[in-house]
This record gives sequence, structure tokens and C-alpha cells, in this order.
Amino acid sequence: RKEVEQDPGPFNVPEGATVAFNCTYSNSASQSFFWYRQDCRKEPKLLMSVYSSGNEDGRFTAQLNRASQYISLLIRDSKLSDSATYLCVVSQTNDYKLSFGAGTTVTVRA
Amino acid sequence: SAVISQKPSRDICQRGTSLTIQCQVDSQVTMMFWYRQQPGQSLTLIATANQGSEATYESGFVIDKFPISRPNLTFSTLTVSNLSPEDSSIYLCSVDPGSSYEQYFGPGTRLTVT
Repeated sequence: RKEVEQDPGPFNVPEGATVAFNCTYSNSASQSFFWYRQDCRKEPKLLMSVYSSGNEDGRFTAQLNRASQYISLLIRDSKLSDSATYLCVVSQTNDYKLSFGAGTTVTVRA
Repeated sequence: SAVISQKPSRDICQRGTSLTIQCQVDSQVTMMFWYRQQPGQSLTLIATANQGSEATYESGFVIDKFPISRPNLTFSTLTVSNLSPEDSSIYLCSVDPGSSYEQYFGPGTRLTVT
């Protein structure tokens, strides 16, 4: 079983729509959670860390469900510039190593 | 965050040769990492490179194939040795500049082996 699993998508949504997707992680000892964004042929860039209480950054909302071992990302009022692959990333307690999901592709159309 | 540069940005190499990739950071960092991203796939950690100690390799990666240097707190190199077409990939370095486990990535080196 993979450490981090994501729905690969693609999610094709019109501008202004809301899109949400999850990822699941296998290690219950995981302590740090992140969403990264990767544009085509570019490096991953940190979108947001995910905290136990959930957190919001503008149009982006991340949630963590430890009991079910999943993380979610919701994008409101989608923009064309939100088109990218979103990587779910998990690290263990006191371990700086990150485990990456395969990514969820989102395409926002005009 | 940190500003990270990598050289070269891309290269085409013949099988059997080696390529050394450089990673430069604009600030001193203890934790530096090397990843591989094969076409259409996500990132796989090759090794962790901390200054003053030997690199720690992940399962499936060995020092003879991927020697790493970390001479100071702002610089590291990864060499991919005895290249084969299966080594065609993007190689990225990353750093963890603080204690939050967040990592920041360099722009990557796109390697094609012919």
C-alpha cells in the first residue's frame, strides 16, 4: 500500500466553481501535512501546511481528519491560474523526510 | 522560505557517462534533500544530505550510483553515475530552512540519457 494516495483526477471545472479532493495516508504516526502545487515542467511549491484544526488561505481550505487518515483541499471560486497538479505530502514525527502522493490534476476552463 | 538554484537546468548525456548537479541556497540550511521525479510520476526521495555527515540514502538508492557532496551549509552536489536511459528524469534538491518540516525546492535538472 502506498504511503500517500490521491485521486489522480483530472478535475475539469469551470471558472468560479468549487472543487475539492482528498488524499489518504497510511501511517497513523504521521504528524505534518502539506499541500504542494506543481505546474507543468516546474518544481513543487508549497501551497499550505495543514493543521489539525483545519486552515484557510484565501480561496483555499485544508482539512485534516486524523481518525480516518485523510486530508482534503477545497478551492473556491476557481481561477484559470489554479490549473495545476496538487500534491499531498506527509511527514512522520521527528522525521524530515516527506512522502508525496502522485498528485491530483485540476484544470479550470474559461 | 529560501531561494534555491540548480545547475544545469537540463542536459542530454550519453549512457555510461556521469552528470553532476549543483544546488545552491541563498541562506545556510542544515537539511538538504535530493529527489527524483520520473516522467508522469511524483517525487521520490533519493537521499538526505546534512553538512558534516555522510548522506543518508533511501531504499533503492546507493552511494556508488548517486554520490553526494555537502561541503558547506549553502551548497550540495548530486552525481548520477554510469548513466542509463532509465536515469532520464528530473532531479530536484530541496531544503528545510526551519523547524516546521516545510521543504522548498529548486527548479530541477532535467536529464535525458541517450
